[in-house]
Amino acid sequence: AQSVTQLDSHVSVSEGTPVLLRCNYSSSYSPSLFWYVQHPNKGLQLLLKYTSAATLVKGINGFEAEFKKSETSFHLTKPSAHMSDAAEYFCVVSDRRGSSYKLIFGSGTRLLVRP
Amino acid sequence: GAGVSQSPSNKVTEKGKDVELRCDPISGHTALYWYRQRLGQGLEFLIYFQGNSAPDKSGLPSDRFSAERTGESVSTLTIQRTQQEDSAVYLCASSLVVTVLNTEAFFGQGTRLTVV
Repeated sequence: AQSVTQLDSHVSVSEGTPVLLRCNYSSSYSPSLFWYVQHPNKGLQLLLKYTSAATLVKGINGFEAEFKKSETSFHLTKPSAHMSDAAEYFCVVSDRRGSSYKLIFGSGTRLLVRP
Repeated sequence: GAGVSQSPSNKVTEKGKDVELRCDPISGHTALYWYRQRLGQGLEFLIYFQGNSAPDKSGLPSDRFSAERTGESVSTLTIQRTQQEDSAVYLCASSLVVTVLNTEAFFGQGTRLTVV
């Protein structure tokens, strides 16, 4: 079965410093991976997705993630944090069982941005 | 509408009562998902509908939970004899025909259920 592990429940950075949110996946075949963001009292929004076309994926708001098969990782990064980046981030893998394509969510990482 | 719509946005119910949550997916989206998010936790898969295929109900936590979807339209999630542990935000998502694994799912704002 597919799964994702988000290694940090909370990450705190200062505004203007780099962001690294870690995600490792487990997959028996080439996975489809996503990062979603959830701002307080708002719905989930897709940040980026890995489609196997390129290992470095660029998303919205300056975020990007690199798929590393050798490390089974799909870490999310941003060069410079902004206060508006404070939110909960979920790493997601798509799990195919027959005709079912359910999305398996990690436990989430809460990003705190200090002024 | 432009996005996934869920109703009600908030629901407070007494323990033991039945509740029905509604999801209107994006028009044309054949796949529909229900998830549960307890306070401070990640999303827990409940059920998946894809067109006319048999739904994947593997995530439903008990026989008190059921969901229906007619064709590619509205879905309802019903919780019978609600318990306090059912208190959570119930999220619905939809996506286009899922023939590849990387189709984006669009989420609604959720229904916050509180069982008192």
